[in-house]
Amino acid sequence: DTAVSQTPKYLVTQMGNDKSIKCEQNLGHDTMYWYKQDSKKFLKIMFSYNNKELIINETVPNRFSPKSPDKAHLNLHINSLELGDSAVYFCASKDPNTDTQYFGPGTRLTVL
Amino acid sequence: GNSVTQMEGPVTLSEEAFLTINCTYTATGYPSLFWYVQYPGEGLQLLLKATKADDKGSNKGFEATYRKETTSFHLEKGSVQVSDSAVYFCALIKAAGNKLTFGGGTRVLVKP
Repeated sequence: DTAVSQTPKYLVTQMGNDKSIKCEQNLGHDTMYWYKQDSKKFLKIMFSYNNKELIINETVPNRFSPKSPDKAHLNLHINSLELGDSAVYFCASKDPNTDTQYFGPGTRLTVL
Repeated sequence: GNSVTQMEGPVTLSEEAFLTINCTYTATGYPSLFWYVQYPGEGLQLLLKATKADDKGSNKGFEATYRKETTSFHLEKGSVQVSDSAVYFCALIKAAGNKLTFGGGTRVLVKP
């Protein structure tokens, strides 16, 4: 039933490690997003894909690499994790008829 | 570029008090305007939206009117409940656009 799901919900790891976060949506939307939310709740868009093609790539370190194997999935891989990567990462998809974005529950990443 | 400015929180209220969260925007053309709400530990969910000037969005007792002359979309609720405690985000998207521009979020705490 979950419209937009993310795994894992919590991720605790050491500096320098590589990790991935997965996102899946069952809404049939073509456009998906990754956002980063910092400790002050500020939301920053990172990437957007439309039907497996990258359409938005904000100023994000190239240690972050999104991958969309199909239009229902948008995964985020992070290399060489740094302390400053600690945040909550949200996946979302967009209804093209209403422009409404549907968000996943978030993945809280803690880098030690 | 587009931008959204909303009042900084936290806003602390007693139950049944009147809530207003100010939101103003800068954008070319005629964007759609949104209010999203984030309850503790959850992702964002759409609260209400308006797509053209003088439209009023409403949901769960909350209302906001799209005012083009003042470029504003203030959120109001006449009588808040403890369950309204959350972070509220004002946002806009350009017509046929893919990028949602968020304000900084306003934390609201309602005390019994």
